[in-house]
Amino acid sequence: QKEVEQDPGPLSVPEGAIVSLNCTYSNSAFQYFMWYRQYSRKGPELLMYTYSSGNKEDGRFTAQVDKSSKYISLFIRDSQPSDSATYLCAMSETGGFKTIFGAGTRLFVKA
Amino acid sequence: SAVISQKPSRDICQRGTSLTIQCQVDSQVTMMFWYRQQPGQSLTLIATANQGSEATYESGFVIDKFPISRPNLTFSTLTVSNMSPEDSSIYLCSVEGGWTGGYTFGSGTRLTVV
Repeated sequence: QKEVEQDPGPLSVPEGAIVSLNCTYSNSAFQYFMWYRQYSRKGPELLMYTYSSGNKEDGRFTAQVDKSSKYISLFIRDSQPSDSATYLCAMSETGGFKTIFGAGTRLFVKA
Repeated sequence: SAVISQKPSRDICQRGTSLTIQCQVDSQVTMMFWYRQQPGQSLTLIATANQGSEATYESGFVIDKFPISRPNLTFSTLTVSNMSPEDSSIYLCSVEGGWTGGYTFGSGTRLTVV
């Protein structure tokens, strides 16, 4: 079993839809949770960074962590074609070192 | 956060040859990281490069295959040696993201070995 599981998709939604992206994990020691967005032929860019359980909102993006279920989510409201990318979840015990990445979910937002 | 310039952006190489990837950061950083991203797989850390010391390699990666240089606090190179088609992948360098957390990545080098 992988430490971090992420559905590879692809996920295709119409413009304006609410998108839900998810990851599950097995290591209960993870405390730092991240979401990265990766456009084609680009490196990943950090989208959201959260510590422990709870929600964090930034514009149209909301990150949610449920440590009891070992489950994290990224919600995108009012999705736009420019949101079309691969989204990687990532997590670590110590905030940086030994970060474990999910394989990524490819998202397509159709105009 | 730091800005990273990575080159080449892509290359097609013959098996048995070597390719050196360069990574330049616009600020001084203590640690630089090299990752591999294979199709459909998660980012895998190859090694951590500290200036002035030998790189630290992760399990499954060895210095003879992936020699790394770190001559100063803003630059690093990763060489993929004696390449085979299995080395075809995207290689990324990164640095810690500072106060924003996480990592900042270069744009990657897409390597195809034929």
